[in-house]
Amino acid sequence: AQRVTQPEKLLSVFKGAPVELKCNYSYSGSPELFWYVQYSRQRLQLLLRHISRESIKGFTADLNKGETSFHLKKPFAQEEDSAMYYCALSGGYGGSQGNLIFGKGTKLSVKP
Amino acid sequence: EAGVAQSPRYKIIEKRQSVAFWCNPISGHATLYWYQQILGQGPKLLIQFQNNGVVDDSQLPKDRFSAERLKGVDSTLKIQPAKLEDSAVYLCASSSYRTSTETQYFGPGTRLLVL
Repeated sequence: AQRVTQPEKLLSVFKGAPVELKCNYSYSGSPELFWYVQYSRQRLQLLLRHISRESIKGFTADLNKGETSFHLKKPFAQEEDSAMYYCALSGGYGGSQGNLIFGKGTKLSVKP
Repeated sequence: EAGVAQSPRYKIIEKRQSVAFWCNPISGHATLYWYQQILGQGPKLLIQFQNNGVVDDSQLPKDRFSAERLKGVDSTLKIQPAKLEDSAVYLCASSSYRTSTETQYFGPGTRLLVL
């Protein structure tokens, strides 16, 4: 079954500390992985996707197929990073193409 | 460009009543999604449209939920009759194409409370 697991409901760090939000997935094919973010009172929006291998707002995420993980990392957290983060996967073909399967989300709180 | 629009933003109804939500996607976006987000959970796909055709409605509770996308633009999602467990935020999203890597743009959501 397709599933995304985010083990931490809440992650609290101090400003300047490194951050790692964990994401593990279960999928039989070759999924596309994404991180979506929702800042307070804003819409859910795409942060980054694994296929782009990009760094957005200092965040990076590496797909590890062996460990079926897609953890989100940032070396130095900023207060403006405080938000709800969702890991999501999308099937690569067929009826599931384009559909996003979300984890339950991790709330990141960056303290001054 | 204008974002995905949804209305109403909030709705409170009693169980067994009916309710309808409206979504206007980004202009030109062929694919439209409805998600249900229960408190403490991530969004869950209810239905996916490609233009005015249904691509995936496998998780839509068809005994009470219905959705349509006439003319391949706006969409409505209806619940009739509502149950307490339908209390959630209903998110509409759209994307240019139906590919797994295409960015989905989300609306602000409609928060439904069923009493």
